[in-house]
Amino acid sequence: DSGVTQTPKHLITATGQRVTLRCSPRSGDLSVYWYQQSLDQGLQFLIQYYNGEERAKGNILERFSAQQFPDLHSELNLSSLELGDSALYFCASSARDRGDFYEQYFGPGTRLTVT
Amino acid sequence: GQQVMQIPQYQHVQEGEDFTTYCNSSTTLSNIQWYKQRPGGHPVFLIQLVKSGEVKKQKRLTFQFGEAKKNSSLHITATQTTDVGTYFCAGGNYGGSQGNLIFGKGTKLSVKP
Repeated sequence: DSGVTQTPKHLITATGQRVTLRCSPRSGDLSVYWYQQSLDQGLQFLIQYYNGEERAKGNILERFSAQQFPDLHSELNLSSLELGDSALYFCASSARDRGDFYEQYFGPGTRLTVT
Repeated sequence: GQQVMQIPQYQHVQEGEDFTTYCNSSTTLSNIQWYKQRPGGHPVFLIQLVKSGEVKKQKRLTFQFGEAKKNSSLHITATQTTDVGTYFCAGGNYGGSQGNLIFGKGTKLSVKP
């Protein structure tokens, strides 16, 4: 158990809908990262928040947005869903702000299926 | 943009055989991390290499970082069924446009008992 929690575990929804994925980082970690994992693309970095502020942005679509709240939990909002958005979404956390230099602890993931 | 290529994509070995996965970057990396993801699980941090030419060992696992800091490898000696999973390298590019880890697509290892 990494100490990172994600809800829900599974999500099935229809095209065009909007969903929210939730993540709680390890106690004391200030950085939260979101990743998308699909079969053919591997782990794609989406976005990082550090202590409530956006720190780095990766291959995140405009239909996707995220935020980190004062209690440090984070939410990833996916809207106008398409079939291609079906994937496993991981949240990870680390203690510091440099996402490339500190060990990241991954949560169990949310499997999103868009039908 | 910056890419981290990992080969092979799949590797099937007999238990007891050795296994190696290779990671290559299009640009110089600040550091490299390795993660393991068991089937149905999440990535778990294994190790980080920072120095040019660095070699680190963890029991049967040997990690190397190239002299030019553009490539890395993970070698497992005498594989066991517990080694099954996907191994990812992730390059750090501090100061780059993404400012974060760039993951390779992983090498999926299966071990036949």
